[in-house]
Amino acid sequence: EPEVTQTPSHQVTQMGQEVILRCVPISNHLYFYWYRQILGQKVEFLVSFYNNEISEKSEIFDDQFSVERPDGSNFTLKIRSTKLEDSAMYFCASSVVGEQFFGPGTRLTVL
Amino acid sequence: AQSVTQPDIHITVSEGASLELRCNYSYGATPYLFWYVQSPGQGLQLLLKYFSGDTLVQGIKGFEAEFKRSQSSFNLRKPSVHWSDAAEYFCAVGEDDYKLSFGAGTTVTVRA
Repeated sequence: EPEVTQTPSHQVTQMGQEVILRCVPISNHLYFYWYRQILGQKVEFLVSFYNNEISEKSEIFDDQFSVERPDGSNFTLKIRSTKLEDSAMYFCASSVVGEQFFGPGTRLTVL
Repeated sequence: AQSVTQPDIHITVSEGASLELRCNYSYGATPYLFWYVQSPGQGLQLLLKYFSGDTLVQGIKGFEAEFKRSQSSFNLRKPSVHWSDAAEYFCAVGEDDYKLSFGAGTTVTVRA
């Protein structure tokens, strides 16, 4: 069964460093998303991506964040200068219509 | 703006007993509604979804949910809980472009 994959599973970084979180969506999916979940809190929408451009973003998704689909398979989330409060689990998701399939997540720890 | 409320933060249930998790939503149009389950350290697994049609929806692992428009609710139920159902459960509403808004989650503990 096709699934969304994410790498790495855990990333530790120093405050101010850049990180790139990687996702491989399900191959025939057209919509791509990033969500985050701060420990003990609910899952929050960050950004959606369709047809090679951002279709919607939340207020969390400020200038420090960017997304890219560099080739036909990968979908990345970049945080330019990480802050302590960026520590969270980041989930990638993809969909065709409606139902989103989530990856296992990348736990980002900012020290 | 849409929102999802899960009134119960934590529920403890005995194995074999029934379970009901409440979800209320606020959304102007006909919502797409979802229940996801998250085991500790794991990702989100879709239990079931409602887009249209029959308001009683069957999902995986013996779960079902009922959409009640008049109450703006989408409660999740399972007749007999297994120890493996201990997890966190999230209700979510999908918007026009299928962005999901999640509730705060309900943690389910199953006691023997």
